[in-house]
Amino acid sequence: AQTVTQSQPEMSVQEAETVTLSCTYDTSESNYYLFWYKQPPSRQMILVIRQEAYKQQNATENRFSVNFQKAAKSFSLKISDSQLGDTAMYFCAFMRVTGTASKLTFGTGTRLQVTL
Amino acid sequence: KAGVTQTPRYLIKTRGQQVTLSCSPISGHRSVSWYQQTPGQGLQFLFEYFSETQRNKGNFPGRFSGRQFSNSRSEMNVSTLELGDSALYLCASSLTSPVETQYFGPGTRLLVL
Repeated sequence: AQTVTQSQPEMSVQEAETVTLSCTYDTSESNYYLFWYKQPPSRQMILVIRQEAYKQQNATENRFSVNFQKAAKSFSLKISDSQLGDTAMYFCAFMRVTGTASKLTFGTGTRLQVTL
Repeated sequence: KAGVTQTPRYLIKTRGQQVTLSCSPISGHRSVSWYQQTPGQGLQFLFEYFSETQRNKGNFPGRFSGRQFSNSRSEMNVSTLELGDSALYLCASSLTSPVETQYFGPGTRLLVL
């Protein structure tokens, strides 16, 4: 079974600063996807970024980028120029590719607070 | 394009009752997945439906069931409610498979008294 570990329950960052959220996972699969989801206080889960394991290049989406280390099974999220609207729970998630029958396995989340 | 909608948003039930939650996916999306979110267990996968067929199921007791209609709308049912079923139930849709990007609804918060 796959497991996803987020070792930082809470983090705080000042507005305009950069913060990195950590995520490690355990799997014997070679083909899989990794995701970061954001859940603000409104509770709506929003996809932040997605990485296919077979891609060497780290994914980026505007101020969000990942550091994907496949051998180390590490998938950290870097948020640059943090904004107050980035305040949320961030979940790292894993999905193995098994045809069409796939599901997300989530970590326990990191609560990020962006302060003035 | 409208997002994923879930009804009702809030629900209060008592132990022993049953409950039905509804999820309408984004137009054109045919895969619907359900997740349970609790403070203790975090986010856990319940099941996934595609073309009215359950393709994948998580480790939940048989009291948890679901179905999908021909228009891709999905319902989940919990029978004989227990206090531990209190949770936020999230629905997510994707075009044909959860391997693609899943879009989540706002969730239904269920409180069992």
